[in-house]
Amino acid sequence: EPEVTQTPSHQVTQMGQEVILRCVPISNHLYFYWYRQILGQKVEFLVSFYNNEISEKSEIFDDQFSVERPDGSNFTLKIRSTKLEDSAMYFCASSVGLGSWGDTQYFGPGTRLTVL
Amino acid sequence: KQEVTQIPAALSVPEGENLVLNCSFTDSAIYNLQWFRQDPGKGLTSLLLIQSSQREQTSGRLNASLDKSSGRSTLYIAASQPGDSATYLCAVDNQAGTALIFGKGTTLSVSS
Repeated sequence: EPEVTQTPSHQVTQMGQEVILRCVPISNHLYFYWYRQILGQKVEFLVSFYNNEISEKSEIFDDQFSVERPDGSNFTLKIRSTKLEDSAMYFCASSVGLGSWGDTQYFGPGTRLTVL
Repeated sequence: KQEVTQIPAALSVPEGENLVLNCSFTDSAIYNLQWFRQDPGKGLTSLLLIQSSQREQTSGRLNASLDKSSGRSTLYIAASQPGDSATYLCAVDNQAGTALIFGKGTTLSVSS
């Protein structure tokens, strides 16, 4: 069964460094998402992406964050200058269509980001 | 602003028990409600999706119901097994259908 994959599974970085988290969505999906989950807290939406554009972003997704689909298979989340509070599990998800059409989002296994 | 709440936060039951997990949401104008399972340190696995026009969905020992007007959903697990131990998350779509809004989850522990 097709699945969303994410690399790396764990990333450790120093505060102020740039990190890029990578995702390979399911191949026929058109909508891509990033979420994060700080330890012990809710899963929070960051950004959704469709047709090479951001379709929605949350308050969390400030200028330090960016997303890109550099080729036909990868979807990346870049954090320009990491802060301690960026430490979290980051989940990528993809879907064929929107939730308003009744489509499910499929989640990857996550990347645990630790900022020291 | 849509808020999703799940109670209880944690639940421990002996194997074989039937149990109910609860989810409530503040804005009844939703497209779908989904239940996910999350194992420790792992990703989210979709269990059931209920569209707003539906009242319930079933998959194996799982049954999810939706009462949109009262802003409530329940996940019923029949004949629980130790392998059911996980955190169960409830999520609804935002108004545009472009993002999911999650509850904090119920952590279930089933003892043998």
